[in-house]
Amino acid sequence: QEQLVQSGSELKKPGASVRVSCKASGYTFTSYAMNWVRLAPGRGLEWMGWIETNSGSPTYAQDFRGRFVFSLDTSVATAYLQINNLQVNDSAVYYCARVNFHCMDVWGRGTTVTV
Amino acid sequence: QSVLTQPPSVSAAPRQKVTISCSGRNSNIGNNSVSWYQQLPGAAPKLLIYENEKRPSGIPDRFSGSKSGTSATLGITGLQTGDEADYYCGVWDSSLIGYVFGTGTKVTAL
Repeated sequence: QEQLVQSGSELKKPGASVRVSCKASGYTFTSYAMNWVRLAPGRGLEWMGWIETNSGSPTYAQDFRGRFVFSLDTSVATAYLQINNLQVNDSAVYYCARVNFHCMDVWGRGTTVTV
Repeated sequence: QSVLTQPPSVSAAPRQKVTISCSGRNSNIGNNSVSWYQQLPGAAPKLLIYENEKRPSGIPDRFSGSKSGTSATLGITGLQTGDEADYYCGVWDSSLIGYVFGTGTKVTAL
């Protein structure tokens, strides 16, 4: 079945970088764009942006421009989120979610990043 | 601060009905399709409603969605303890050129 499997929890120091992976299976990876969504403590879901899987072109939400980088490895059907120069308030659960006609129909289980 | 406003919490006795509102603008709800997501405690969000009122396969018809103007509503009938979760509306915003989520609503079965 269609699923997204994310990498495990990460514990990092401020100033470090982290890369979260999201491996797709059960569907054609390049047929659907991939969103990234953040759930920070005490806050609701925040859309971080998306990456077009057929071109690798990323789009970042306003609050996630600069230190956040979306990338792909289509040979292994995997999307990546890298966060550089980590700050304490980057501590959150990060989700990948498949884009399907302006909704998110398949979600990863989330990756907890603690800074 | 989200551009979509939801009540922080709603509650009802089991087997009763709850409704959750999502208030937006012309640039989002007024001109685009609304989705609803359920996030059970400790779990990833799950798509509950798409295109304002459609249910993905496997979602029971106790869950319903509607839209009117710049507001959308999620209804849950026959409330169960297993429905206790956070619920979010979501929609594309043509002015922000991005997706926006509502502020989220915690549903409690009393």
